[in-house]
Amino acid sequence: DAKTTQPNSMESNEEEPVHLPCNHSTISGTDYIHWYRQLPSQGPEYVIHGLTSNVNNRMASLAIAEDRKSSTLILHRATLRDAAVYYCILRDVMDSGYALNFGKGTSLLVTP
Amino acid sequence: GAGVSQSPSNKVTEKGKDVELRCDPISGHTALYWYRQSLGQGLEFLIYFQGNSAPDKSGLPSDRFSAERTGGSVSTLTIQRTQQEDSAVYLCASSLARRGLSYNEQFFGPGTRLTVL
Repeated sequence: DAKTTQPNSMESNEEEPVHLPCNHSTISGTDYIHWYRQLPSQGPEYVIHGLTSNVNNRMASLAIAEDRKSSTLILHRATLRDAAVYYCILRDVMDSGYALNFGKGTSLLVTP
Repeated sequence: GAGVSQSPSNKVTEKGKDVELRCDPISGHTALYWYRQSLGQGLEFLIYFQGNSAPDKSGLPSDRFSAERTGGSVSTLTIQRTQQEDSAVYLCASSLARRGLSYNEQFFGPGTRLTVL
């Protein structure tokens, strides 16, 4: 899988939007961009994924650059419960059965 | 519906003893994964089972580690002659893992915290 780069940590105030960046300059045409998050003392959970177009779901939005070399996970109104480590992971659609390659992720701190 | 379950939730053992960790995946999920997470670190892949195919053991750190998946469902991760560096949270995940399906979300269990004294 191609490599992703994320900031080690970010901080946000509660009820404000949060933009979590991810760089993936070596992304291939069949790589999907997946985001998972890991709340404290829990296993990771799926957040969102996309290929080329921006995506929205109940948890977050994913904005993908036109050249696909970067993407941004957007939490529209951060809550204290959103404090977690967020992982940006590339997955080739034909490698869908393989293990996820978790990097260090971004540790998000949300303050009241 | 039931998610992925793991047992025990915590395990404390003495150096040199063997331990078995259990994972019950979501019913119908053909793929099962084991990861471990040492304190303050990211997740490290250990082993992957897909249907009846031979497991991908490429992530196992030593021959003291082994895993089985019986009947395509429950899996057991065994660590023989445990060492202090084996202390970590061991996470299990399952997925449908259909090729060409962009989704293939992995569902994780709560993990087993292993402490080797």
